[in-house]
Amino acid sequence: GQNIDQPTEMTATEGAIVQINCTYQTSGFNGLFWYQQHAGEAPTFLSYNVLDGLEEKGRFSSFLSRSKGYSYLLLKELQMKDSASYLCAAHNFNKFYFGSGTKLNVKP
Amino acid sequence: DAGVTQSPTHLIKTRGQQVTLRCSPKSGHDTVSWYQQALGQGPQFIFQYYEEEERQRGNFPDRFSGHQFPNYSSELNVNALLLGDSALYLCASSLEVTGANVLTFGAGSRLTVL
Repeated sequence: GQNIDQPTEMTATEGAIVQINCTYQTSGFNGLFWYQQHAGEAPTFLSYNVLDGLEEKGRFSSFLSRSKGYSYLLLKELQMKDSASYLCAAHNFNKFYFGSGTKLNVKP
Repeated sequence: DAGVTQSPTHLIKTRGQQVTLRCSPKSGHDTVSWYQQALGQGPQFIFQYYEEEERQRGNFPDRFSGHQFPNYSSELNVNALLLGDSALYLCASSLEVTGANVLTFGAGSRLTVL
C-alpha cells in the first residue's frame, strides 16, 4: 500500500524558519512533490525532488532522501501569508499519493 | 492564460442522486486527473484521463466514472450518491511528458450530499 506521513499542525513566528517533514512508503516512486493550499483554495505547486538532495527556490527549499523515504520542506523568512496547509505528495507514474497535509500557523 | 476551470463551484444533492462535474484544463495541457479531498485530508486520486482514455484509477468504486473530450476537457460522474461522497472534488491538468508532471489544480467543486 501507500503511506504518506506528515505532522498535522505546526506553529512558527513571522521571520523564522520552519521545516515540515514527510515520510513515505510507496510501491513505486518517481519523485516527491510539495504543494501549498490556502483554506478554501486549490493546491498550488511549490517544489519537487526526483533525485536525492536539496532543491532551492527562493524562500522555499525541499530535500529528498530516497533511501530513507524522507523529505522536508524548508520555509525561510516566514511571512503571515505562508499560513496554509502544506501537502507532501509521492509521484508514482501517473498517480500522486498525498499526505493529509500540515497546517502551518504563522504568528506575529 | 486561463488556468484550470471547474464547474459548478458548489452543489447540494441528496442520497441516491447522480452528479456530473466539469473541468477545462489549463491551456496547452492534455492530461486531466480527478481527486477527492475530504475535509482536513489530502487529495485522494480518483482517475486520470489521457487521449480520451482512462489511464489510471485509484481505489474508488465503479459509481465514479469519467470522460475526456477531444478538446481535453473532462467530466466526473458519480452515481447513487452516498453521504460519504461529500467532499471537494479537484481537477488537475498536466502535460504528458516523460518524467514527473507538475499538476495544476482547479479551485474545485464542493459537493454536499444530504
